[in-house]
Amino acid sequence: DVKVTQSSRYLVKRTGEKVFLECVQDMDHENMFWYRQDPGLGLRLIYFSYDVKMKEKGDIPEGYSVSREKKERFSLILESASTNQTSMYLCASSLGGTSGREETQYFGPGTRLLVL
Amino acid sequence: AQKITQTQPGMFVQEKEAVTLDCTYDTSDPSYGLFWYKQPSSGEMIFLIYQGSYDQQNATEGRYSLNFQKARKSANLVISASQLGDSAMYFCALRGNNAGNMLTFGGGTRLMVKP
Repeated sequence: DVKVTQSSRYLVKRTGEKVFLECVQDMDHENMFWYRQDPGLGLRLIYFSYDVKMKEKGDIPEGYSVSREKKERFSLILESASTNQTSMYLCASSLGGTSGREETQYFGPGTRLLVL
Repeated sequence: AQKITQTQPGMFVQEKEAVTLDCTYDTSDPSYGLFWYKQPSSGEMIFLIYQGSYDQQNATEGRYSLNFQKARKSANLVISASQLGDSAMYFCALRGNNAGNMLTFGGGTRLMVKP
């Protein structure tokens, strides 16, 4: 079974703090993704990575950065947290092939971040 | 541009009955994939079923089946014999011909199973 883990289920931070959200997958997947999920706005892609040290902006990268130093780990960084970054953050990974099932993204349990 | 539309914000179904959750999509890519995910109140997204645009047959996974009508650009999820544990949000997602296999998600449908 694919396992994607995230460092925290719940996190409370103050405005201006630097926040690290960690994601680890144990299936040697090439691709990793960070989404945020907000009521009424659905899931929106923040960043993704298709290889170590590679990153690509998604739909809403502003205010975020990412790091992928090892294949299994993809970190999302909020350089200076703001209240509008209060959200549910979901990490996902996929094998990265070109045929059907290999494209399937498997998600972690999510981190509910509250910025005060 | 890709778009996924789920027109049912919420649905009720009686336990043990079948239910269909609607999903329509729009893409100009000739090759694409469609996914359904379940999100219970705990928050994690659980992969349910996949359909490729060139697959000849509709996908099935246990109690889940996908009614894929390519000409109508619809990919409805059918859940047979609903169970109380099926109560959750359900999301349809589209993967087009893009780098990194990025997905576009629909707005979701909340399914509530009545005992």
